[in-house]
Amino acid sequence: DIQMTQSPSSLSASVGDRVTITCQASEDIRKYLSWYQQKPGKSPKLLIYDATTLETGVPSRFSGSGSGTDFTLTISSLQPEDFATYYCQQFHRLYTFGQGTKLDMK
Amino acid sequence: EVRLVDSGGLVVQPGGSLRLSCAASGFTFDDFTMHWVRQAPGKGLEWVCLISLDGDTTYCADSVEGRFTISRDNSKNYLYLQMDSLKTEDTALYYCVKGGDGHAFDIWGQGTMVIVSS
Repeated sequence: DIQMTQSPSSLSASVGDRVTITCQASEDIRKYLSWYQQKPGKSPKLLIYDATTLETGVPSRFSGSGSGTDFTLTISSLQPEDFATYYCQQFHRLYTFGQGTKLDMK
Repeated sequence: EVRLVDSGGLVVQPGGSLRLSCAASGFTFDDFTMHWVRQAPGKGLEWVCLISLDGDTTYCADSVEGRFTISRDNSKNYLYLQMDSLKTEDTALYYCVKGGDGHAFDIWGQGTMVIVSS
């Protein structure tokens, strides 16, 4: 099974900050990675797929990078509605999620 | 509007069975792979099962293989998850999920809660 490791597990930041979350795969997954945002009591929402492609309707302050085993989600200027938990997911061989990164207000 | 509505979650005893349903609308159901994903209380996301467009191909996670069966009725736009031999560790919120044009999960249901407890 492919393991996905996110870091950090939690992160405190302020509105306007640039935030970076990383995700590492246990083996080469090429570009087959997605990022999701989940707010309390809500279903997850797709942000980015194929490592770098922004889902329709997602603000451009979100961006993804990486390939192979190392990936990054960046929020360029944090907005109040961005405080949430973020998950990466590989789909190179079946599907595995990272353990999540909880982003809260400093 | 593209929509998935999950239902069927209940409290069930260990060893029991349950069938979850998902009603899909707003898109051509039989054009897309469908999935179930679960989330235990306070925990992260776990992919459970997938089913191909025509229902001929299914895969499930090792944790549920042999106990859970995914199926679909393309004439009714419904997805199902038959859950047998339930264990306490199956307690979770179960989401019906639509596969996107690639393999990302682009539309999620609201989730239906399954509690396995004596």
